[in-house]
Amino acid sequence: DVKVTQSSRYLVKRTGEKVFLECVQDMDHENMFWYRQDPGLGLRLIYFSYDVKMKEKGDIPEGYSVSREKKERFSLILESASTNQTSMYLCASRTTLTYEQYFGPGTRLTVT
Amino acid sequence: GNSVTQMEGPVTLSEEAFLTINCTYTATGYPSLFWYVQYPGEGLQLLLKATKADDKGSNKGFEATYRKETTSFHLEKGSVQVSDSAVYFCALTAYAGNMLTFGGGTRLMVKP
Repeated sequence: DVKVTQSSRYLVKRTGEKVFLECVQDMDHENMFWYRQDPGLGLRLIYFSYDVKMKEKGDIPEGYSVSREKKERFSLILESASTNQTSMYLCASRTTLTYEQYFGPGTRLTVT
Repeated sequence: GNSVTQMEGPVTLSEEAFLTINCTYTATGYPSLFWYVQYPGEGLQLLLKATKADDKGSNKGFEATYRKETTSFHLEKGSVQVSDSAVYFCALTAYAGNMLTFGGGTRLMVKP
């Protein structure tokens, strides 16, 4: 069974803290994605990675960075968390040149 | 650029009622179209897809037909169940391997 896991389901951080969100997939997929989900806005792409050590900015990369040192792991980093980064964060993966993305359960991050 | 517009929710129905969730899109060329579903506390799952005009995608009693003339991909189900309560996202991509563009999502609540 395919599986994408995220390190935390719920996270509360303070403004200015550095925050790490981890995503792991066990399907040997080349492509991995980070989205944020906000009511009425759907999913917006933050960053994606075609393969190990490769990354590309998505639609809303400001305030975020990513790391992909191993094929199965894709990390999202908030260098200095702000309240407007309070959101649901979803990770996804897929093989190259396919349509279907497999999603993790999400991390609900609250920045106070 | 590409965009997807969905009807705003929540949509509240009684069990066994007929469901329609509207989705229209703007895209150049011939995109592929998708419906994803997000059950409470879970990530998104691909529900159905259609890759060319007049194709009908179907799964779990849900159907959607790719209508190029009206740029629409409305989701329908003849008889909803309480277990169908979820958030539904319409999405498109220009080609396999390209990025997905999501609509804002529509929450469906089915009451017994």
